[in-house]
Amino acid sequence: EDQVTQSPEALRLQEGESSSLNCSYTVSGLRGLFWYRQDPGKGPEFLFTLYSAGEEKEKERLKATLTKKESFLHITAPKPEDSATYLCAVQGNYGQNFVFGPGTRLSVLP
Amino acid sequence: GAVVSQHPSRVICKSGTSVKIECRSLDFQATTMFWYRQFPKKSLMLMATSNEGSKATYEQGVEKDKFLINHASLTLSTLTVTSAHPEDSSFYICSAKAGGSSYEQYFGPGTRLTVT
Repeated sequence: EDQVTQSPEALRLQEGESSSLNCSYTVSGLRGLFWYRQDPGKGPEFLFTLYSAGEEKEKERLKATLTKKESFLHITAPKPEDSATYLCAVQGNYGQNFVFGPGTRLSVLP
Repeated sequence: GAVVSQHPSRVICKSGTSVKIECRSLDFQATTMFWYRQFPKKSLMLMATSNEGSKATYEQGVEKDKFLINHASLTLSTLTVTSAHPEDSSFYICSAKAGGSSYEQYFGPGTRLTVT
């Protein structure tokens, strides 16, 4: 059974304090690993897709990396507007459904 | 690009009535749409998957007679909560996936349903 865990559950950072969020997964053949950002009361916003170990993607202050067992979302010099829940999801080679992790709630304090 | 809308954003209904939620892909054709439910401070729970022109596939434990899904076109899917009860109150989110080599799901803004 495909599974995704995320750590930490919650993270509080000071503005400018860089950190990383972890997404660990087990899947029968990885088709893709996806990162989303979700603000309270809103739908998830797509950030990145990673397909194979060693791949990296960047967008502004965010950088996602992928190994065979986990993915990291690195946040460099975060700002208060980066506060949100970050969700990780995987899709295996069998089927088209995503398996979501529980998310990491990030708070960036000014 | 890849914009998905949902309507309504909020709805309050009385127990026993039915509510329809629309999900539209605005700038792409969605061969597959997904319906999720999200409880407070929890992750997304997949309810069903629908492909255009065919019957929806429901996840285990989701009542197909209560949550009716129709995917009549490549840009529209609807979720009807029939005979709603207070325990159906939740945040419902749809997502859409384009065909071909694209694997990403693009999510709508969600619909907050409150059943009184």
